[in-house]
Amino acid sequence: DVKVTQSSRYLVKRTGEKVFLECVQDMDHENMFWYRQDPGLGLRLIYFSYDVKMKEKGDIPEGYSVSREKKERFSLILESASTNQTSMYLCASSLRFNEQFFGPGTRLTVL
Amino acid sequence: AQTVTQSQPEMSVQEAETVTLSCTYDTSESDYYLFWYKQPPSRQMILVIRQEAYKQQNATENRFSVNFQKAAKSFSLKISDSQLGDAAMYFCAYRSVGDDKIIFGKGTRLHILP
Repeated sequence: DVKVTQSSRYLVKRTGEKVFLECVQDMDHENMFWYRQDPGLGLRLIYFSYDVKMKEKGDIPEGYSVSREKKERFSLILESASTNQTSMYLCASSLRFNEQFFGPGTRLTVL
Repeated sequence: AQTVTQSQPEMSVQEAETVTLSCTYDTSESDYYLFWYKQPPSRQMILVIRQEAYKQQNATENRFSVNFQKAAKSFSLKISDSQLGDAAMYFCAYRSVGDDKIIFGKGTRLHILP
C-alpha cells in the first residue's frame, strides 16, 4: 500500500513563528503536492514538486515556501506564521500523470 | 482555465437508499480525466472512482458509479445502498492529460441517516 505520512496531525503555533510541515511518501513517487483545505473553498494547491529540488507554484503560494532535498520528503515552510494560515494542510504524492495519494492532514492553528 | 463546480455543499440520504452527487466542469479540452475523491471525517482522502473522457462507458466501482455526460460537461456520482461508512466529504476533480495537477471542486458533505 502507498503510504503518505505527515509529521503532525495537530499543531498549534504563535504568530510570527517559523513552521515546518513535513511529508514523507514510501512509493518512490516523482510528484509531491501541498494543499490547503478550508471549509467552502475545497482544496487549493500551494506548491508542487515534480523532482528533487524542483518546485512549481500552485494557486496560493504567498506566505509559503517548500523544500525537497530527497525524493521521499517534501516540506512546507511558513516563514512567519499568521492567523490567516490557520487551516488543514494536506500532502499528496503521485507517479507522473497518475492518481494522487493523500496523507492524513495536519490541522494547523496559529494564535 | 478549467473549473469544477459542485453545487450541493451538503446532502443527506437515508441508509440503504441511493444518492446522486452532482458535478459540472468547464474545459476546452477533448481528452481529460475526472475523479471522485472521498474524505471521511478525520481520515485520509481516497480515490473512489475515475473516468477517462475518451471512454463512453461510465465507470463503476461496486456501489459507486458515475453518470458522465461529456457534451453537458457533467460528472455525477451515484452511491447505491448507502452505508454509514459512506458519510464523508466528496470532491469532484479534473486533470488534463499530460498534467500532474488536479483541479478540485469545493466538495459535498454527505450525511447518512440511520
